[in-house]
Amino acid sequence: EIVMTQSPATLSVSPGERATLSCRASQSISSNLVWYQQKPGQAPRVLIYGASTRATGIPARFSGSGSGTEFTLTISSLQPEDFAVYYCQQYTTWPPMYTFGQGTKLEIK
Amino acid sequence: QVQLQQWGSGLLKPSENLSLTCAVSGGSFSGSYRSWLRQPPGKGLEWIGEINQSGSTNFNPSLKSRVAISLDTSSAQFSLRLSSVTAADTAVYYCARLEFKSGWYFFDSWGQGTLVTVSS
Repeated sequence: EIVMTQSPATLSVSPGERATLSCRASQSISSNLVWYQQKPGQAPRVLIYGASTRATGIPARFSGSGSGTEFTLTISSLQPEDFAVYYCQQYTTWPPMYTFGQGTKLEIK
Repeated sequence: QVQLQQWGSGLLKPSENLSLTCAVSGGSFSGSYRSWLRQPPGKGLEWIGEINQSGSTNFNPSLKSRVAISLDTSSAQFSLRLSSVTAADTAVYYCARLEFKSGWYFFDSWGQGTLVTVSS
């Protein structure tokens, strides 16, 4: 099973600043990587798929990069609504399997 | 805009069976896969399994022996059954639709979540 490891567990950043979140896969997953945002009491919302493509309606301040085993989610200028938990998720198509990282909590500094 | 609405038993005793249903509206029920996922309180997400429009299923190996997912195309619903639950199955359960776009897969629509608590 592919293990996804996110770092840091908690990131404290001031509004307006840049946030960089990391995700590492235990083996190469090409670009089969998705980023989600989750706020308390809500379901996750897709931000980035294919490691670097923004989902419909996602602001340009969110960007994803990486391939293979190392991935990054960057939020260029944090807005108050961006403070949440972020998960990366990988998938394999056969056999189908979807595994998530443990999450990074982005909190207001 | 596809919407998923889910419901089911929220409080179970150990050894009972969990049953949840998810209804899909606002879009085509055909195509792609529909999944169940769960999230223990304060923890990360775990994929449980999926079903396609033909009724073909795939499961997380760690849960495969206890999971069943079924489909009712006439009412655009799919259901989860998890047998012999324990306290470790306490979690918020989500249904979700798997989207396939430009060669990539991702969960683009989610149900509202159902908290299932297993306690004696």
